[in-house]
Amino acid sequence: GNSVTQMEGPVTLSEEAFLTINCTYTATGYPSLFWYVQYPGEGLQLLLKATKADDKGSNKGFEATYRKETTSFHLEKGSVQVSDSAVYFCALSGSGGSYIPTFGRGTSLIVHP
Amino acid sequence: NAGVTQTPKFRVLKTGQSMTLLCAQDMNHEYMYWYRQDPGMGLRLIHYSVGEGTTAKGEVPDGYNVSRLKKQNFLLGLESAAPSQTSVYFCASSSPTSRDEQFFGPGTRLTVL
Repeated sequence: GNSVTQMEGPVTLSEEAFLTINCTYTATGYPSLFWYVQYPGEGLQLLLKATKADDKGSNKGFEATYRKETTSFHLEKGSVQVSDSAVYFCALSGSGGSYIPTFGRGTSLIVHP
Repeated sequence: NAGVTQTPKFRVLKTGQSMTLLCAQDMNHEYMYWYRQDPGMGLRLIHYSVGEGTTAKGEVPDGYNVSRLKKQNFLLGLESAAPSQTSVYFCASSSPTSRDEQFFGPGTRLTVL
């Protein structure tokens, strides 16, 4: 079956540091890949997505590239801010004709001033 | 557009009591989902629906029932609440034409004493 594995957190950084959150997946076919963000006390919201190999999704300074050869979709940001503190979820859907998404367990990011 | 809304936002139940959580979406989405979120467990799918009048079990369906009588509404019922059902519940919706990007509600925090 499908699975998504994220690095465990929390990830603790100082403001303006470089961020990488690793995500790898197992799936059949060519799924779409997503990063969702959950701010404290809120629901998840889509941060970025990529629908085919070598696509790069980007939003709010975050980027992730769909790497089929390494089955990865790592999230990066060049300079984090305190306001980026949140939980980040990697997810996939559309694998094997199924529209039921598979989420990773989430990675908490804490950014200190 | 209000997007996805959930009612209520908070609820405290005693063991054995029943309740219904309401999810409504105004985006004309075909698919709707109920998840629970517990610390360290990420999101786990309870039930989902691929259209009006249809429902299916997800990863953790025991102790819950659902109904989708109208396309815009998805109800989650707990017939006899247990402390193990203390959690934050999220509803989401999606459409196949948007490559299954999920839109989430703000969540319902349920405590069962």
